Amino acid sequence: EPEVTQTPSHQVTQMGQEVILRCVPISNHLYFYWYRQILGQKVEFLVSFYNNEISEKSEIFDDQFSVERPDGSNFTLKIRSTKLEDSAMYFCASTPRPPYGYTFGSGTRLTVV
Amino acid sequence: ELKVEQNPLFLSMQEGKNYTIYCNYSTTSDRLYWYRQDPGKSLESLFVLLSNGAVKQEGRLMASLDTKARLSTLHITAAVHDLSATYFCAVTGTASKLTFGTGTRLQVTL
Repeated sequence: EPEVTQTPSHQVTQMGQEVILRCVPISNHLYFYWYRQILGQKVEFLVSFYNNEISEKSEIFDDQFSVERPDGSNFTLKIRSTKLEDSAMYFCASTPRPPYGYTFGSGTRLTVV
Repeated sequence: ELKVEQNPLFLSMQEGKNYTIYCNYSTTSDRLYWYRQDPGKSLESLFVLLSNGAVKQEGRLMASLDTKARLSTLHITAAVHDLSATYFCAVTGTASKLTFGTGTRLQVTL
C-alpha cells in the first residue's frame, strides 16, 4: 500500500536554529498538508498546499514557517528560528482529491531544547 | 470557526463491554473521518463518512453520521485489549483541511 514517508523520525534542535522536516507524499496525490500535535493534545492544522502554492494556513503558521515542494516529489516544512513551544510531532498528509483518502505520514518528533 | 468536540476524553472499559464515543461539530459538514492513534505513532484511517445516515463497520467498530444533528458516533462492541488507543474524529468544512476533535483515549482492561 502506498505510504507517505517522513524524515527524520526524530530531530532534536537548539532553540533559535532552523529545521527542515521532509515528506514524500504518495506519487499521484495533488493536495498536501502539514499538521502538528503537541504531546497529549489534539492534532492541529498548519498549512495546505496545492498546485505549488499555499491554499490555506492557520494562525500557528506564522512568518517563522514556510513550505516548499522543491523537486516535484518532496514536500518540506521549514521552521526558521525554533522556539521551545515548537516541540511537537509534525505530520504530513496527502490526498489525490479532497475529501477522499487523506493519508498521514509516520510523523517527525521535533524536540527543541 | 469549526469546532469539533468528543466525549468522553478518557474511557476505561472492560473487555467484552460495549461503549460509544461521541463526536459533535459546530458547522455544516457532510464529511467526517475517524482515526486511530497508538502512542507515539501516526494516524490510521478507520472510517470515512461522506453523507447523512452513513454507517460503516469494521470488526468491532461501527461509525455513523447524522449531519442534521452534527453528530457522529463510534460504537465499540465487545471490546478487546487491542482496541486500546486514542480515537480522533475529524471534519472538513468548506475547506479541504481536517479539523480534529479533542480525542478519546480508550483503555480496555482485562
